[in-house]
Amino acid sequence: GNSVTQMEGPVTLSEEAFLTINCTYTATGYPSLFWYVQYPGEGLQLLLKATKADDKGSNKGFEATYRKETTSFHLEKGSVQVSDSAVYFCALRGNTDKLIFGTGTRLQVFP
Amino acid sequence: NAGVTQTPKFQVLKTGQSMTLQCAQDMNHEYMSWYRQDPGMGLRLIHYSVGAGITDQGEVPNGYNVSRSTTEDFPLRLLSAAPSQTSVYFCASAGGASRKNEQYFGPGTRLTVT
Repeated sequence: GNSVTQMEGPVTLSEEAFLTINCTYTATGYPSLFWYVQYPGEGLQLLLKATKADDKGSNKGFEATYRKETTSFHLEKGSVQVSDSAVYFCALRGNTDKLIFGTGTRLQVFP
Repeated sequence: NAGVTQTPKFQVLKTGQSMTLQCAQDMNHEYMSWYRQDPGMGLRLIHYSVGAGITDQGEVPNGYNVSRSTTEDFPLRLLSAAPSQTSVYFCASAGGASRKNEQYFGPGTRLTVT
């Protein structure tokens, strides 16, 4: 079945450091891929998405490229801020239209 | 717009007790759903609804009931709580009747069953 694997956290960085959170997936067909973010005390919000191979989703300085050859959708940001501290979830939507989430990665950014 | 609201934020139950987790949205969304979030397991779909009067099971429906009498509200009922239901519960809604559309999440309810 469909599944998402993302790196365990927490990821701890200093402000202005480069961020990568790895996400790989297993799916039949051509899923859509998503990154959601959960700030402390809040629900999940859609951060970015990509619906076909080689698409790049971007938002708030974050980027992720849909790589079908490596079945990956890694999240990157060139310079993180303290306000980026949150839990990040990778997710896919396959042919059943159901969202399948990864386990989440906590990011902690220190000044 | 308040978006998706959930009450209560925190709840402690004893085994065997019943309770209802409330979820409401003011965006006139047809699609609503309940997820649970457990450590190391991501979010898993419990039940969903594509419109008033229509509900269906997700991947982990056992021990939970839902109803959808109005477009706005989608309560989740635990009839006889068990420690295995200790989790964080999220309600979500999406415009239209399809979960293909972007889902908006509530802030969650943290439930502990002792």
